[in-house]
Formats: sequence, C-alpha cells, structure tokens
Amino acid sequence: QVQLQESGPGLVKPSQTLSLTCTVSGGSISSGSYYWTWIRQPAGKGLEWIGRIYTSGRTNYNPSLKSRVTISIDTSKNQFSLKLTSVTAADTAVYYCARLVVVPHYFDYWGQGTLVTVSS
Amino acid sequence: QSALTQPASVSASPGQSITISCTGTSSDVGGFNYVSWYQQHPGKAPKLMIYDVNERPSGASNRFSGSKSGNTASLTISGLQAEDEADYYCSSYTSSSTLVFGGGTKLTVL
Repeated sequence: QVQLQESGPGLVKPSQTLSLTCTVSGGSISSGSYYWTWIRQPAGKGLEWIGRIYTSGRTNYNPSLKSRVTISIDTSKNQFSLKLTSVTAADTAVYYCARLVVVPHYFDYWGQGTLVTVSS
Repeated sequence: QSALTQPASVSASPGQSITISCTGTSSDVGGFNYVSWYQQHPGKAPKLMIYDVNERPSGASNRFSGSKSGNTASLTISGLQAEDEADYYCSSYTSSSTLVFGGGTKLTVL
C-alpha cells in the first residue's frame, strides 16, 4: 500500500520561503508510471494544483505560481519537495502531496495534508 | 489557468440521484478524456471516485458514475446515502501539460 507523508514547518513568516517534503513509502518514486505532485487548499476553499515532477526531474507548474515554485525530487530518499518563495498570507493553506498517474492523469494516492500558516 | 466551473452546492434526499456538472474549455475538459472526480469529507484528504471520465477505481461505489459532453463533464450519484455528503471536485488535464481543478461542489443529503 502506497503512503505519502508531508513534513515541514507549520509556520512561515511573510516574504520567507515555504519548504515541504513528501516521503513516499510502499512504492518507488522512480517508477516511470507516475508524476509526484503538490496541491493546496486554503481553509474553506477549493483545491489548487501547484505542480508536478517526474522521476527524470522534469517539472510542470501552475502558471499562477510558476515564478515562485520549485519542485525537486530525491530518488535516493524516495522523497520529493516543494519550495514556495516570497510567501504572503494568501499562501496559508493545507498542502497535500499526491501521486499522479501519468496517463490518464488522475491522483490515486494522497498524503493526509499539512497546514502551513504564513504569519509574523 | 482558470478553475473549472462547478455549482457551489447541490442537495437531495436519501435514495434520490444527483448530477454535478464541471464545465471547462476545449483546452481542458473538451480536449481530453482525462477528467477525474474526487470526494472530500471535512478534515480529510480527497478520495478518487472517477477517472478517465467514467472509470471507477477499485473500492469506489458503483453508485458513482461519470460522463462528458463537449466541454462539460458530469458526476452522477444514484441512491444517495448519508455518507455521500461531502465536497466533490473535478479535475482535468490541460493542453499546457498542467492539471486544473473545479471550484468544488458541496453535496447535502437532506
């Protein structure tokens, strides 16, 4: 059974960088059948796709966040990570990592989510 | 990219059926059969209910079905049960190699 677990600071100051890591267990992050993705959800609002990374390191990002987002992968640790720079209160949300099946592009496994609050 | 358009809320009584629409453009919903649907209960991570427009993953109830016509996809839940009360989100692949979600629909079982 594949499991994903987010980890990282729950509080980040405005203008700083949000950093999260997702650890994958029960399967290899090097599998060519999946992308590894980040999704967020502000309290009481909908889901927003942040971006995805393939085992090769190839990435795609949400155009609205592209200038501030970097997703990276560490196959030796079976982990992938998110960095979001210059954060504001609008970046306060529950952040999920999820596995995305390459085709037909659906999210089959999700982490439990981690709340990140941007506040001084 | 703009979020896909879903109704904010729907409601029905137990045993009835409901349909939730998800409207996009020819660059996402209309251009690919890569629409999926997710159920989210409060405080929980989303759960995959439908993929590939109308395919059910193992473990998903057969009361859930999906369809698509043009730029609009739909999720139908038949024989409503109290446990179906949740938020529902559609998602689509896009021509820009990105993914986009709908705004979400709150289902109330009366």
